Amino acid sequence: DIVMTQSPLSLPVTPGEPASISCRSSQSLLHRDGHNYLDWYLQKPGQSPQVLIYMGSNRASGVPDRFSGSGSGTDFTLKISRVEAEDVGVYYCMQVLQTERTFGQGTKVEIK
Amino acid sequence: EAQLVESGGGLVQPGGSLKLSCAASGFTFSGAAMHWVRQASGKGLEWVGRIRTKPNSYATAYAASVKGRFTISRDDSKDTAYLQMSSLKIEDTAVYYCTTTSGDYYVGFDYWGQGTLVTVSS
Repeated sequence: DIVMTQSPLSLPVTPGEPASISCRSSQSLLHRDGHNYLDWYLQKPGQSPQVLIYMGSNRASGVPDRFSGSGSGTDFTLKISRVEAEDVGVYYCMQVLQTERTFGQGTKVEIK
Repeated sequence: EAQLVESGGGLVQPGGSLKLSCAASGFTFSGAAMHWVRQASGKGLEWVGRIRTKPNSYATAYAASVKGRFTISRDDSKDTAYLQMSSLKIEDTAVYYCTTTSGDYYVGFDYWGQGTLVTVSS
């Protein structure tokens, strides 16, 4: 199985400031088709998860452009250019390269 | 608007069985692979398994933690996916979500149900 490791696990943020979350995989997620098979999800308090980024860097429909995904191979980053209060919740990366999908442990983002 | 609605959760004793349903609407269910993801209270997300479409022979795949105990099926005539859980363990206690990706190409799991709670306890 591919092990996904996120850091930090807790991230206090200040509204208006940038924030970033790291996700590392135990195997490369770069497919021979040139795409990185990694998604980012946000689970807001009391809600089901929602997709933010798919295939490494593609912003999902309706996701604000302050969210961006980058990285390749085994190292990936989710960046929020200017955090807003509504961005609080737990962020997960998930590899979609292997049939058995695996998630990172989650990063809890909260307002300072 | 697309919607997934899970049902069938509840309290079950260790060793027991339970069958969850995921009713879909608002998109072409027969063309979508359906996944199940679970979340124990206060814990992270865990992929449980998936079933592909008819052209892909309804192929199933499971997490190692549930393989041999859980079975995913679907009824395209009812736009519903199922998760049959057997030999349940206390550690299977979780909220179970069904999820899928819309459209003809992968855009992430963009449809999620609200989840149904399964509690395994004596």
